[in-house]
Amino acid sequence: GAVVSQHPSWVICKSGTSVKIECRSLDFQATTMFWYRQFPKQSLMLMATSNEGSKATYEQGVEKDKFLINHASLTLSTLTVTSAHPEDSSFYICSAPSGGYSYEQYFGPGTRLTVT
Amino acid sequence: GEDVEQSLFLSVREGDSSVINCTYTDSSSTYLYWYKQEPGAGLQLLTYIFSNMDMKQDQRLTVLLNKKDKHLSLRIADTQTGDSAIYFCAESETGSQGNLIFGKGTKLSVKP
Repeated sequence: GAVVSQHPSWVICKSGTSVKIECRSLDFQATTMFWYRQFPKQSLMLMATSNEGSKATYEQGVEKDKFLINHASLTLSTLTVTSAHPEDSSFYICSAPSGGYSYEQYFGPGTRLTVT
Repeated sequence: GEDVEQSLFLSVREGDSSVINCTYTDSSSTYLYWYKQEPGAGLQLLTYIFSNMDMKQDQRLTVLLNKKDKHLSLRIADTQTGDSAIYFCAESETGSQGNLIFGKGTKLSVKP
């Protein structure tokens, strides 16, 4: 089946630094990818929709200058958390649609970000 | 806006059946999903159902949909300790091309 990978799987960074998270579709092309954020014991909340070749679409309340998204190719989307603060600590998960009229999205394994 | 609600916890004994319930508010929901998340891991699609279906069975899993009441349930037969995880209900209007609206997840604990 289709696989979506994320890198890194976990990262610890200091306040004020930036962190880049990669999301790759390994055996299929994804013109759209979704970035979710999950707080402990909470649901997944959509942050933004990443579109290959165009600007990302951000959900209300998500700062686009803080969470930079670049969909560089049909298999890669990156999320950069700029000037990270402890409140940005969370589990970030990406997903990619399977394409066509299929019902399924494939989820990456997630990236655990801890900002100290 | 759209909302998906689930009970937060369920505890069962190994071998029993588990039933996880979910309600949603969006009458435009076309696709309804159940995902499983094990500790520290991403989401694994367990099963899905289209809104024009009432029931779907897949091995130990049975999904029931009451569209009138906007109620979805997941039944796991012969629950095993390996089924311990968080189960998320999710809905989408457009299937794979749109974002999913998730519930908060139900933590299933299976006792030996």
